[in-house]
Amino acid sequence: QVQLQESGPGLVKPSQTVSLTCTVSGDSINSGVYYWSWIRQHPGEGLEWIGYVFSSGNTDYNPSLKSRVTISIDTSKKQFSLSLRSVTAADTAVYYCAREGRAASGIDSWGQGTLVTVSS
Amino acid sequence: DIQMTQSPSALSASVGDRVTITCRASQSISIYLNWYQQKSGKAPKLLIYGASSLQSGVPSRFSGSASGTDFTLTINSLQPEDFATYYCQQSYSKVTFGGGTKVEIK
Repeated sequence: QVQLQESGPGLVKPSQTVSLTCTVSGDSINSGVYYWSWIRQHPGEGLEWIGYVFSSGNTDYNPSLKSRVTISIDTSKKQFSLSLRSVTAADTAVYYCAREGRAASGIDSWGQGTLVTVSS
Repeated sequence: DIQMTQSPSALSASVGDRVTITCRASQSISIYLNWYQQKSGKAPKLLIYGASSLQSGVPSRFSGSASGTDFTLTINSLQPEDFATYYCQQSYSKVTFGGGTKVEIK
């Protein structure tokens, strides 16, 4: 059974870059079957898709965040990562990594989520 | 961008009730519509994929349907563990989530 685990700093200063890593276990990250995604949730609010990376390295991003986001994958380490630049307090949220199947099969596996707080 | 309009934003129901949540897409998304349940402090859980397919392990009281750009999640005979927030999600073009529906105890 696949497991995903986020790691990274819980506190980041405004204008800095937050970098998060998701480690995948129990499944091949290189299978070519899944999109490896980042999703966030502001406190008390709904879900916001940030973007995803495919095993080939191809990516797609939320247009509202595209200018500040990079998602990458390291199949040898079974990890994929999120880099969000020039953060502000509005980027304070729980960040989830997740696995989405292709062809309308949904996001079937999620990490537990990690809270990132942007504050000086 | 595809917008997903979910309604209602909240509802109160009793154990045993039938609950219906709807999601409308701003354009055609075929059957690229999924439903999730999220409990407080937890990651979302996939309930329905492809508009009407039940995810493995999900109770059969959950069902999904589609009509054009309108999608419905139905919970038959609401159970105590079903009180949670529900989200729709389209994956036809990029990914967009609906605003969520909080199901509370009446």
